[in-house]
Amino acid sequence: GAGVSQSPRYKVAKRGQDVALRCDPISGHVSLFWYQQALGQGPEFLTYFQNEAQLDKSGLPSDRFFAERPEGSVSTLKIQRTQQEDSAVYLCASSHVLRAPQPGELFFGEGSRLTVL
Amino acid sequence: GENVEQHPSTLSVQEGDSAVIKCTYSDSASNYFPWYKQELGKGPQLIIDIRSNVGEKKDQRIAVTLNKTAKHFSLHITETQPEDSAVYFCAASMGYGGATNKLIFGTGTLLAVQP
Repeated sequence: GAGVSQSPRYKVAKRGQDVALRCDPISGHVSLFWYQQALGQGPEFLTYFQNEAQLDKSGLPSDRFFAERPEGSVSTLKIQRTQQEDSAVYLCASSHVLRAPQPGELFFGEGSRLTVL
Repeated sequence: GENVEQHPSTLSVQEGDSAVIKCTYSDSASNYFPWYKQELGKGPQLIIDIRSNVGEKKDQRIAVTLNKTAKHFSLHITETQPEDSAVYFCAASMGYGGATNKLIFGTGTLLAVQP
């Protein structure tokens, strides 16, 4: 497909389990963002990649969160030892523009909904 | 850091009426202000954006205005239709000199257009 693809769409984890969320950006897009969206809230920035380089990880809430994009395309967000407060929708977005989102448009995936029991 | 406030949190209008959503931002260095529409179970989709060197921008039934002095910007939807019903988010880009122009989002407005 032509859009940003995320998997799994839904993930239920027991507290303490590790999870991995995948993002397939639009082909050729150099900029990739991860956002966390809690229920009823706006998305909050987690981390940013320019190709394979993680240039900003200031939004990652703890050292349990780790993201990678080893070949500059697919990205994985990993959460270790999940906690209930990690329950949220995790959104991936990509753009063809360096230093996105301006002036290029930022394309969001449909998100991965994580529920931690 | 940047903080974006959005009002109202919910808005109900009759089909054909206009809807206005307002946002304020705190960082005067912000220079890019997009608006996103998010439907249930979907990711946010850009509907219109404005840069700080422009005061108003219009695209068919939607328009955005920006007041840099007051640090607020607004989304206007005219002739609303039921398919406009969704959650709308404003956002601001911090625009600092680093590699990231990350978006700071408002808390969203749930717009319901009653047929």
